[in-house]
Amino acid sequence: QITLKESGPTLVKPTQTLTLTCTFSGFSLTTSGVGVGWIRQPPGKALEWLALIYWDDDKRYSPSLKSRLTITTDTSKNPVVLTMTNVDPVDTATYYCVHVAPSYYFDHWGQGALVTVSS
Amino acid sequence: DIQMTQSPSTLSASVGDRVTITCRASQSIVTWLAWYQQKPGKAPKLLIYEASILESGVPSRFSGTGSGTEFTLTISSLQPDDFATYYCQQYDDYWTFGQGTKVDIK
Repeated sequence: QITLKESGPTLVKPTQTLTLTCTFSGFSLTTSGVGVGWIRQPPGKALEWLALIYWDDDKRYSPSLKSRLTITTDTSKNPVVLTMTNVDPVDTATYYCVHVAPSYYFDHWGQGALVTVSS
Repeated sequence: DIQMTQSPSTLSASVGDRVTITCRASQSIVTWLAWYQQKPGKAPKLLIYEASILESGVPSRFSGTGSGTEFTLTISSLQPDDFATYYCQQYDDYWTFGQGTKVDIK
C-alpha cells in the first residue's frame, strides 16, 4: 500500500524560503521508472505541477518556477524535499506530493499540506 | 508549454444523468492524458490514464475517450458520490492540468 505524507511549515513570511518534506512508504525511489513529484493548489483554484525527481535522480521543474525550486533526496531516497525560495503571498496553496507511475501519471497522492505566505 | 482547456467549467446535473466533460490540448498529446476526481478538502484521485484506461477500483460508469488534442470523460449514470471537481492532465511534455470542471447538483 503506497502512502505519502507532506510536512512543513503552515505559515511562511514573504521573501523567505519554504521547505517541504514528502515521506512515503509502500514503494522505493530506487525502483526503475518510479518518481516523486510535487503539485500545488491555491485556494479555490486549479492544480499546478511544480517539480519531480526520478529513481535515477533525474529532475524536472516547472519552467515558470524553475529558478525558485529545488527538489532533492538523500542516499536513502526517502524523504523527498522541495525548497521554494523568495515566497510571495501568491504561493499560498495546498502542496501535494505524489507517486509517479513508470508511465508518468500520478497514481497516489498525499493528503496535502496548506502553506500560507503572509507577514 | 502545452495548455489544457476543459469545458464546461461548471456542470449541473441530476443523479442518473449521463455527463460528459471535454478536455482540449493545445497540441497533440497522443493519448498521454489522465483524469482525476477531487472532492472538497481532499487530494485528487486518479480515475483514468492513457486517455481510456480505468484505474483499478474505479467504477465502470466512468470512461474516457480521445486522442491527439480532444478528449472526453463520461459518467454514464451520475451517482451521489460523483459530485466533485474533475481535472484532466497531460503528461506528454512535462505535466499540465486543465482548469477543472465542477459537477454539482441541479
